[in-house]
Amino acid sequence: VIWMTQSPSLLSASTGDRVTISCRMSQGISSYLAWYQQKPGKAPELLIYAASTLQSGVPSRFSGSGSGTDFTLTISCLQSEDFATYYCQQYYSFPRTFGQGTKVEIK
Amino acid sequence: EVQLVESGGGLVKPGGSLRLSCAASGFTFSSYSMNWVRQAPGKGLEWVSSISSSSSYIYYADSVKGRFTISRDNAKNSLYLQMNSLRAEDTAVYYCARDHPLIVGAPHVWGQGTTVTVSS
Repeated sequence: VIWMTQSPSLLSASTGDRVTISCRMSQGISSYLAWYQQKPGKAPELLIYAASTLQSGVPSRFSGSGSGTDFTLTISCLQSEDFATYYCQQYYSFPRTFGQGTKVEIK
Repeated sequence: EVQLVESGGGLVKPGGSLRLSCAASGFTFSSYSMNWVRQAPGKGLEWVSSISSSSSYIYYADSVKGRFTISRDNAKNSLYLQMNSLRAEDTAVYYCARDHPLIVGAPHVWGQGTTVTVSS
């Protein structure tokens, strides 16, 4: 099983801020990592796959980086609609695993 | 429009069974691997099971192995999850999710979810 440590679990920020979320793997997964956004009562939405490829339709203020064991999701200029919970997920091997989630809240 | 619609959730007693269904439309269902992902109340996402396009490959989380069975009917564009020996910790919203067209393993299209409550 590949364990994932996502941090922070809670991030307080203001509109316009640059925020960074980290995801660390217990073993290397190359670039087999995805990032999701989830809003309350809604299904998750895929933001990024292959660690850094932006899903079609996702605003360019979102970016992903990293490979191996350390990955980062960056939101360059936080907008009101970005306040949500974010999850990383590895698809390098089964069982698939998700990070614990990072809630981005209004400061 | 690409769409996944789950059904079959409800209240069940511990030890009971439930069968979830997911109806797919707007895409060639038989070409995609499919997944079940669940989310307990107030908790994070947990992958449950995956099935390849032709049902040749099936995987389960350890937490459900031996109790849950994933299956699909490509002729009916439908995905299923048979859940037996249900426990309180299986209480969750269950999402059906289709893999990304380019990336096997990254769920891309998600249903709205169906709620399963296991309680006496």
